[in-house]
Amino acid sequence: VLTQSPATLSLSPGERATLSCRATQSLRSSVAWYQQKSGQAPRLLIYGASIRAPGIPARFSTSGSGTDFTLTISELEAEDVGVYYCQQRTNGLTFGGGTKVEIK
Amino acid sequence: DVQLVQSGAEVKKPGESLKISCQGSENSFTNHWIAWVRQTPGKGLEWMGIIWPGDSETYYNPSFKGQVTMSADKSITTAYLYWSRVETSDTAIYYCARSITAEGFNWFGPWGQGTLVSVSS
Repeated sequence: VLTQSPATLSLSPGERATLSCRATQSLRSSVAWYQQKSGQAPRLLIYGASIRAPGIPARFSTSGSGTDFTLTISELEAEDVGVYYCQQRTNGLTFGGGTKVEIK
Repeated sequence: DVQLVQSGAEVKKPGESLKISCQGSENSFTNHWIAWVRQTPGKGLEWMGIIWPGDSETYYNPSFKGQVTMSADKSITTAYLYWSRVETSDTAIYYCARSITAEGFNWFGPWGQGTLVSVSS
C-alpha cells in the first residue's frame, strides 16, 4: 500500500512543493510519479532512477528509497496545479491515493 | 512515440455487455505491453491488467480476473476491454497506457485519454 501526504498542498507561486509517498513494505525499486490535471488522463512525470519523462521541466525531481519517496517541485508554477500520484510494482502493482496541489 | 486513442463514453444498463477500445498510432504498439487502469472517486487508480498485443498474452490483477476480458487485434493496433455483464460498480473512467518494465523499474506512459463508462438502471 502506498500512502501519499499531504492530501492537499496549497502554496504560492515560486514556493517549493514537497510531496511524500510512503510504502508499507520496502520497495525494491523507486516509484514512478504521475500528474493528473482536471479532466485529463494521468501523465508520466518521473520514472526509473529519477528520469524525467520527455517534456517534463527540470523543476520536478524525486528522491527516496525503501519505504519513503519524495517528489519535489522546486519553484511552483500555476500550470503545476493538479493531483500527483506515485506508483509501485514491488508488491503487486498499486498507486497511491494522490496529493492535490493548489495555488494560493 | 506511440499515441493511444480510446473509444468514446458509454452508458449501459446493468447486465448489458460492453467492449471499449484503445488504438495505438503506430506499429510499435505490438512491441509493448498495454495496461488497463480504472479510476473511481472511491478507490482511485487501480491497475486491472496488461496485454501484449503481439500475441495477446495477458496478466490480470487478481481483483479483476474473471470480471473483465482483455484482448487485442494487432492487425489494427487495437486493444480491448470487455465485460459480458456490467454492474453499477463498473462505473468509472478506464484508461489504457503503455506499460514498460526495465532494469527493475515499471512505469506507464503514454496514456489514452480515458473512456467514461456509466452503468445505471
